[in-house]
Amino acid sequence: EVQLVESGGGLVQPGGSLGLSCAVTGFTFSSFSMSWVRQAPGKGLECVAYINGGSITIYYADSVKGRFTISRDNAKNSLYLQMNSLRDEDTAVYYCARHRAGWPDLWGQGTLVTVSS
Amino acid sequence: EIVLTQSPATLSLSPGERATLSCRASQSVSSYLAWFQQKPGQAPRLLIYDASNRATGIPARFSGSGSGTDFTLTISSLEPEDFAVYYCQQRSNWPRTFGQGAKLEIK
Repeated sequence: EVQLVESGGGLVQPGGSLGLSCAVTGFTFSSFSMSWVRQAPGKGLECVAYINGGSITIYYADSVKGRFTISRDNAKNSLYLQMNSLRDEDTAVYYCARHRAGWPDLWGQGTLVTVSS
Repeated sequence: EIVLTQSPATLSLSPGERATLSCRASQSVSSYLAWFQQKPGQAPRLLIYDASNRATGIPARFSGSGSGTDFTLTISSLEPEDFAVYYCQQRSNWPRTFGQGAKLEIK
């Protein structure tokens, strides 16, 4: 079964760190670019980070640049997002997504990150 | 950053009616535009990519058109399961940006 499963969300204090993981099954992970997309409560969608299959091309949204790091381990079929210096405005559901023909065509169910004291 | 503006913000229609949603880009994105559907508590689902191509498994009642700065998502005859929030997204430039969303609600 083709599936993306995020984990690692939770409650963290402002200034803290959290690491998210996305475990992939059912397709050749290394052949696909991946991204993390977040959605603040009741708000729209924001693409925060992108990585191609070989980890050569990486992009970040300005809102997270210098604080978040996207990475992947193709041997473990896993995508990661390391989030440091977290702020209240980083509170959101974080989705991992697979890219096909340039578009996020398959999404996980999301993991909630809450930044609050 | 390319800004995508969706209209209307809310569209109230009845099952069986035709729905037309618009997305306008602040600069040309060529045909690099997609449409997503999101239902409460669920992840977004890709409907249309490259402006007019239906994604795998998407019913033929969904269609997309446009190029450059003006795009349209049309649902020819609304089914009960189509009432949701719809987002457009561009991949012409980084950062990839989404529209603010348009809610399609039952009248």
